[in-house]
Amino acid sequence: DTGVSQDPRHKITKRGQNVTFRCDPISEHNRLYWYRQTLGQGPEFLTYFQNEAQLEKSRLLSDRFSAERPKGSFSTLEIQRTEQGDSAMYLCASSVVREYNEQFFGPGTRLTVL
Amino acid sequence: AQSVTQPDIHITVSEGASLELRCNYSYGATPYLFWYVQSPGQGLQLLLKYFSGDTLVQGIKGFEAEFKRSQSSFNLRKPSVHWSDAAEYFCAVALSGGYQKVTFGTGTKLQVIP
Repeated sequence: DTGVSQDPRHKITKRGQNVTFRCDPISEHNRLYWYRQTLGQGPEFLTYFQNEAQLEKSRLLSDRFSAERPKGSFSTLEIQRTEQGDSAMYLCASSVVREYNEQFFGPGTRLTVL
Repeated sequence: AQSVTQPDIHITVSEGASLELRCNYSYGATPYLFWYVQSPGQGLQLLLKYFSGDTLVQGIKGFEAEFKRSQSSFNLRKPSVHWSDAAEYFCAVALSGGYQKVTFGTGTKLQVIP
């Protein structure tokens, strides 16, 4: 399967714990995006990488959130000191650099903070 | 700021009936327009996209959408719905140029009854 993959698919954690999610984009895609989706809402943009450079972060991404893409391939999203409000689906997408920004999405990681 | 409105939160149709899902956007110029479908436990799948040219676009699974500039709308249609079409549908817009940050609507959940 050459699609976008995310790991883990589900994560249950206790409030205050740190969690890390991984995204592996489609191999030739040099753009990578993170979104957050809460119940009843569409995905909301969190951050975006072009190769290893993080080019934009949403105001939704508080200082407890950090994302990396160290070699321009896979990416990690870490949430420190999780709060119940962090419970959501975290989606990763990737695309190539071209005029048309067709993003391909992974299955997401569902985070539940108890 | 760009925004997307999907006025119908939930729609129920009979199998075999026609379907139209509404989408209106707010943006100063013509954006790129997308429709995605999300089934439970699945990632977002692109149904179709509009960038320019013919305002009636065909997508996968028998879906089509029509861009109407005067109404700032991009409604999704299907002439005959199948039970497997039950899912959540998201309209999305992206700026032309740059990295094209995608803004999603809140989604329309489609229920198909036999």
